[in-house]
Amino acid sequence: EADIYQTPRYLVIGTGKKITLECSQTMGHDKMYWYQQDPGMELHLIHYSYGVNSTEKGDLSSESTVSRIRTEHFPLTLESARPSHTSQYLCASSELRAPNIDGYTFGSGTRLTVV
Amino acid sequence: TQLLEQSPQFLSIQEGENLTVYCNSSSVFSSLQWYRQEPGEGPVLLVTVVTGGEVKKLKRLTFQFGDARKDSSLHITAAQPGDTGLYLCAGAIQDDKIIFGKGTRLHILP
Repeated sequence: EADIYQTPRYLVIGTGKKITLECSQTMGHDKMYWYQQDPGMELHLIHYSYGVNSTEKGDLSSESTVSRIRTEHFPLTLESARPSHTSQYLCASSELRAPNIDGYTFGSGTRLTVV
Repeated sequence: TQLLEQSPQFLSIQEGENLTVYCNSSSVFSSLQWYRQEPGEGPVLLVTVVTGGEVKKLKRLTFQFGDARKDSSLHITAAQPGDTGLYLCAGAIQDDKIIFGKGTRLHILP
């Protein structure tokens, strides 16, 4: 039973469209993350949040934006989708104090294709 | 640049065989995690190792953290088709900075 939910699972969208990828968790975790995963490549951190009203950019430059208005919800928005945004997007959450010990809980991902 | 190198990239073996996959870096990690990811799903945490030289066992899976905390290995005994998946290692540089390797894609043939 998943404790972190991502919707949609798959999305095919035209260039220039605005899209929002949803992520919600029911574990009360303070920290949430967005990773981008491409075949044969490392997971790259694109955004993270330490709690409500906290958002930070990750190591990988991204044209997306995020918001954290509620603890359980961490949506990612692309204002104008491009083919270069085609990728798998993974949302994750962790306890505030020690993600290096307890690890991340990942969602099932959203596979985005921009045509 | 902090990198985690995983080897091999791909491994296909028969059911019942043993295998070892590796995770290496020039960086020292405060902890190291192993995840397994199945197609169409997110990674799932298998284990965290913290102490240099630490060995943890999870049924047929044995995880070892190198003495210098720069490398780790995952050994699977008597592999089964259910072990098929992408195995990712992730090293913690600081408490909340974790880097991932590219993964080893394992396929167990029945």
